[in-house]
Amino acid sequence: EVQLVESGGVVVQPGGSLRLSCAASGFTFDDYAMHWVRQAPGKGLEWVSLISWDGGSTYYADSVKGRFTISRDNSKNSLYLQMNSLRAEDTALYYCAKDANYGSGSYVDYWGQGTLVTVSS
Amino acid sequence: QSVLTQPPSASGTPGQRVTISCSGSSSNIGSNTVNWYQQLPGTAPKLLIYSNNQRPSGVPDRFSGSKSGTSASLAISGLQSEDEADYYCAAWDDSLNGRWVFGGGTKLTVL
Repeated sequence: EVQLVESGGVVVQPGGSLRLSCAASGFTFDDYAMHWVRQAPGKGLEWVSLISWDGGSTYYADSVKGRFTISRDNSKNSLYLQMNSLRAEDTALYYCAKDANYGSGSYVDYWGQGTLVTVSS
Repeated sequence: QSVLTQPPSASGTPGQRVTISCSGSSSNIGSNTVNWYQQLPGTAPKLLIYSNNQRPSGVPDRFSGSKSGTSASLAISGLQSEDEADYYCAAWDDSLNGRWVFGGGTKLTVL
């Protein structure tokens, strides 16, 4: 059974930094690309970032480019999102999600339960 | 403003057939496959349709997807109360070095 468990969400001040983690199990982690997708309170889904199976290719939404960095450690079956220069509009539930393929333009087939990031003074 | 355009709401009565549209452009729906997600209240999204019209194992055949040009649709037949949820379309977009894009979501109400 595929399991994705996010952690690291907290309340942080504007301008601060945070690292989210996602522990994956139930599948061969280094065979698949992984995503971060977020959902602001009461709002729709917003794709944040994607990393290929080997970490060699990364993609970002314009809203986070230059501030967020996605990475993975295949030896630990873990996905990360380093978030810097946080803004109030980054407040959201952040989902870790598994892609159905190893590269880029496939689709998300499994989602975690999310970790809540609140940016507030 | 979402790259993919969905109606904010839809509704139907039990047993009815409803459709939800998703409009995009040549850089996303026009050149890539469309996927649909269902998000029940208070839960994580779930894959409903992938590659335009494929259902994952366990998704009832009441749910179907289609695509034509730069638009796609999700159809739900034999509407049930448990179908009340938010529905999102998504696709890969070839512009700006590549990115995933979602529709703004459609809240389906079963009357």
